[in-house]
Amino acid sequence: TQLLEQSPQFLSIQEGENLTVYCNSSSVFSSLQWYRQEPGEGPVLLVTVVTGGEVKKLKRLTFQFGDARKDSSLHITAAQPGDTGLYLCAGAQYGGSQGNLIFGKGTKLSVKP
Amino acid sequence: EAGVTQFPSHSVIEKGQTVTLRCDPISGHDNLYWYRRVMGKEIKFLLHFVKESKQDESGMPNNRFLAERTGGTYSTLKVQPAELEDSGVYFCASSAVGEKLFFGSGTQLSVL
Repeated sequence: TQLLEQSPQFLSIQEGENLTVYCNSSSVFSSLQWYRQEPGEGPVLLVTVVTGGEVKKLKRLTFQFGDARKDSSLHITAAQPGDTGLYLCAGAQYGGSQGNLIFGKGTKLSVKP
Repeated sequence: EAGVTQFPSHSVIEKGQTVTLRCDPISGHDNLYWYRRVMGKEIKFLLHFVKESKQDESGMPNNRFLAERTGGTYSTLKVQPAELEDSGVYFCASSAVGEKLFFGSGTQLSVL
């Protein structure tokens, strides 16, 4: 069974600090997605990384896919209270149907003003 | 444009009862997916429809779960009879071919 280990599980920081969330697996994924989920809502896609070593930036968020396509990280620079939420990584399996994703348990981020 | 709509938002039933969850995808999206998150666990894939056909049902836990998508529009997920371990949040998502997934807000199912 493929697993995606996400860390840390909880993160509470002050506004302006930087943070990194990690997503690790022993399995190789064809692509990896990062989602953000707010209470009472469904996950919303932030980014998809496809190529090993790929780096994508979305304003203050930087996403990286490991060279071996087994791990990924999300780095947030100068976090703001609006970044508060649950961040989820999800890997797509080779040969799997679109949407047959392996999810991490999530990182619950709280940014205090 | 309306997003993915799930109904009900919450359902509380007793063990042994039947519950039917509904998902209305974004209009025009051929792909429809069901997921479940049990408390303390990760979101898990249940199944994938392409139009009215089941493309991948490898994540369905057992034969107490029945998913349908009549006419390739809305989908229902019926649990019969419900067991305590079926409690969790059930998410539906839809996508156009080759495009990103849009998730609904989920149905919180509590089996007592």
